[in-house]
Amino acid sequence: AQSVSQHNHHVILSEAASLELGCNYSYGGTVNLFWYVQYPGQHLQLLLKYFSGDPLVKGIKGFEAEFIKSKFSFNLRKPSVQWSDTAEYFCAVNAEGNNRLAFGKGNQVVVIP
Amino acid sequence: SQTIHQWPATLVQPVGSPLSLECTVEGTSNPNLYWYRQAAGRGLQLLFYSVGIGQISSEVPQNLSASRPQDRQFILSSKKLLLSDSGFYLCAWSVRPETQYFGPGTRLLVL
Repeated sequence: AQSVSQHNHHVILSEAASLELGCNYSYGGTVNLFWYVQYPGQHLQLLLKYFSGDPLVKGIKGFEAEFIKSKFSFNLRKPSVQWSDTAEYFCAVNAEGNNRLAFGKGNQVVVIP
Repeated sequence: SQTIHQWPATLVQPVGSPLSLECTVEGTSNPNLYWYRQAAGRGLQLLFYSVGIGQISSEVPQNLSASRPQDRQFILSSKKLLLSDSGFYLCAWSVRPETQYFGPGTRLLVL
């Protein structure tokens, strides 16, 4: 079964700082990769996803993620964060064709104005 | 467009009481449906998923059960709640296995 690791559960940074959240998974086969975001008081929503093709994926709100197959990683980045990026971010993985999504434990990101 | 509803939004129940949480999806047919529990600092744990009416797969042995009486309705139940059932329950849908879309969640507190 696939598993997902996210480190640094709590991240605090100032506006305009750069953000990078790590995500590593364990599964040897073909995977689909996702980042979800949960803003305070809102639904969990899809930020970006990777199925195939260009390993650098652009998402909403200026986020991007890079799939590095050799490192089993799918790190999320944003060059310059805003206060409105305060949220919890979850990485998720599923094996291709599998109904099950495995989630990481999440990163609670707080952006200080 | 597709929408997903969950109710109630918040629920406080005594230990030993029954539970019924409902999830409905609009704007799509024959979706895959999922129940997750989210605990702070522990991510989302898949509890059940369903690929069709009456078809339920359980991921974790527990005090809960799920049913799918209609194509776009998914119900999470318990006959007798435990304190450890407290948490935030999320329903999700997909029309392919890969991308799941989540509802607003139900916060359950068992006292």
